Amino acid sequence: DSGVTQTPKHLITATGQRVTLRCSPRSGDLSVYWYQQSLDQGLQFLIQYYNGEERAKGNILERFSAQQFPDLHSELNLSSLELGDSALYFCASSHRQGFTDTQYFGPGTRLTVL
Amino acid sequence: AQKVTQAQTEISVVEKEDVTLDCVYETRDTTYYLFWYKQPPSGELVFLIRRNSFDEQNEISGRYSWNFQKSTSSFNFTITASQVVDSAVYFCALSEAEGGAQKLVFGQGTRLTINP
Repeated sequence: DSGVTQTPKHLITATGQRVTLRCSPRSGDLSVYWYQQSLDQGLQFLIQYYNGEERAKGNILERFSAQQFPDLHSELNLSSLELGDSALYFCASSHRQGFTDTQYFGPGTRLTVL
Repeated sequence: AQKVTQAQTEISVVEKEDVTLDCVYETRDTTYYLFWYKQPPSGELVFLIRRNSFDEQNEISGRYSWNFQKSTSSFNFTITASQVVDSAVYFCALSEAEGGAQKLVFGQGTRLTINP
């Protein structure tokens, strides 16, 4: 158990809908990262937050947004969902924000768009 | 851009055999970090090891060992006396620094199957 929690574990929804994925980092970690794992794209970095502020952006679609709250939990919002958004979404956390840190991953949220 | 290549898509061996998973990376940075993660059938990503670019010492942890060679840009992972519980997808990753922030660039993964 990494100490990172993600809810829900599974999510099934329809095209065009909007969903919110939630992540709680390990105790004491200030950085939260979101990754998408799909069969065709593999594991891809989406976005990083550090202590409430956005720090880095990867291949995140404009239909996707995220935020980190004062209690350091983070939410990833996916809107206007398409079939291709079906994937496993991981949250990771690390103590600081630098590239020297180890990222510990949560169990993931499996999103299925029908 | 940084890149990680795991050329072996799938490996299948019989229990107790030794197996090596290859990882080749590309980066222009002089300081970087390399990682291995394990993704068992249950789906979570489990951290195995972190290695910085200045430390080329090989590392051994039980049946696991890692060989880092900057000259060939490789960071290979060997499992000795493999066990069925080692069956998983293994990912090699490179840490990319971007304005003080961090993102991991992952390889495509190697699916390892250990047969009894």
